Amino acid sequence: GQNIDQPTEMTATEGAIVQINCTYQTSGFNGLFWYQQHAGEAPTFLSYNVLDGLEEKGRFSSFLSRSKGYSYLLLKELQMKDSASYLCARLDSNYQLIWGAGTKLIIKP
Amino acid sequence: DTAVSQTPKYLVTQMGNDKSIKCEQNLGHDTMYWYKQDSKKFLKIMFSYNNKELIINETVPNRFSPKSPDKAHLNLHINSLELGDSAVYFCASSQDTMWGRDSPLHFGNGTRLTVT
Repeated sequence: GQNIDQPTEMTATEGAIVQINCTYQTSGFNGLFWYQQHAGEAPTFLSYNVLDGLEEKGRFSSFLSRSKGYSYLLLKELQMKDSASYLCARLDSNYQLIWGAGTKLIIKP
Repeated sequence: DTAVSQTPKYLVTQMGNDKSIKCEQNLGHDTMYWYKQDSKKFLKIMFSYNNKELIINETVPNRFSPKSPDKAHLNLHINSLELGDSAVYFCASSQDTMWGRDSPLHFGNGTRLTVT
């Protein structure tokens, strides 16, 4: 993607906690999205951050630091169904979405 | 079910052929999009329509032509298919063009196009 960096793959254990990081170009920023994409399926919306801080939604939380160009998605109490790719996307100054390549999360029993 | 639906799910065709992918949304959204997801999994926007009018037209070959008969439909027609067109094509919609928590993108299930 255009200046969006996230790890290619991560592995975690069922029941554990995992943090997926995303760094992005800070210029022309209008918000950051996280999407979940199961293999062979459509991406589905998880979260949107435009202000600094942590937003919690059930087992999933998303954090943003605009000055650092940094976000993370925190998944708690991991379940096997959380095995998917997690896509970070930045909304630029023209309100266009710039996508990362996604982080493939593998959950092991 | 309220959703973005696109057909076909799989499309295998030979080089040089012309094909179409259809997309419909019943979410009442004003804006629809076509995205291409390549083998490296990057999602790249191709086109965006707002109330049947083209608002984004990224650098894609003019062999690709979107058609929006009404704001609930955005079809993609591809002429003279090439090997490099093989990818997954996603249709999406949003309430408006000013995206945010209240107006995220809703994606269709994708069309996997394979050109042989």
